[in-house]
Amino acid sequence: EAGVTQSPTHLIKTRGQQATLRCSPISGHTSVYWYQQALGLGLQFLLWYDEGEERNRGNFPPRFSGRQFPNYSSELNVNALELEDSALYLCASSLMSGTGYYGYTFGSGTRLTVV
Amino acid sequence: RKEVEQDPGPFNVPEGATVAFNCTYSNSASQSFFWYRQDCRKEPKLLMSVYSSGNEDGRFTAQLNRASQYISLLIRDSKLSDSATYLCVVRGQGGKLIFGQGTELSVKP
Repeated sequence: EAGVTQSPTHLIKTRGQQATLRCSPISGHTSVYWYQQALGLGLQFLLWYDEGEERNRGNFPPRFSGRQFPNYSSELNVNALELEDSALYLCASSLMSGTGYYGYTFGSGTRLTVV
Repeated sequence: RKEVEQDPGPFNVPEGATVAFNCTYSNSASQSFFWYRQDCRKEPKLLMSVYSSGNEDGRFTAQLNRASQYISLLIRDSKLSDSATYLCVVRGQGGKLIFGQGTELSVKP
């Protein structure tokens, strides 16, 4: 069974540009979660999508947005990039849509560098 | 106060040692608890879920004290390959997982 896949692995953008990160969940998982992990910091919750809808959002500005497609894959968009957006962006999927007792399976992440 | 707080690291221990990590959480309504392991520059991986009765998986034992809102992880007979950052995780409101800052473990020969 394929795990959670993210693309691209690395992304370099300049300040003010837009970045698009992609995630494909494990087959059968309907929930996708996005986290940001800046260097030396813990994982910060960004967004949760389930069945195509945004279910929850972390304390991030509106320039962080995303969507989930009918095949449950997801996209994270970051507009007007700032230097402090440089981080590892992790996508995870879960078996039960936010109500079960299962942990998440993470993808290997996209490392975004803003210069 | 952070929603999930862990012991500050790093923990430097010799091979074969027993090491314990502690974690507290602030939301008494939390229902699900986990320990994740994260190797340097890699994604977190689920180590084990934590159940109210306590649970064991080989050299790893997890405990939950709901009254004290306290979670622990015990690693016995530490191996070099146990070196990693251990993340305490609690399922928060709305289903999202809330991660502690992590505790770094370094097992030395």
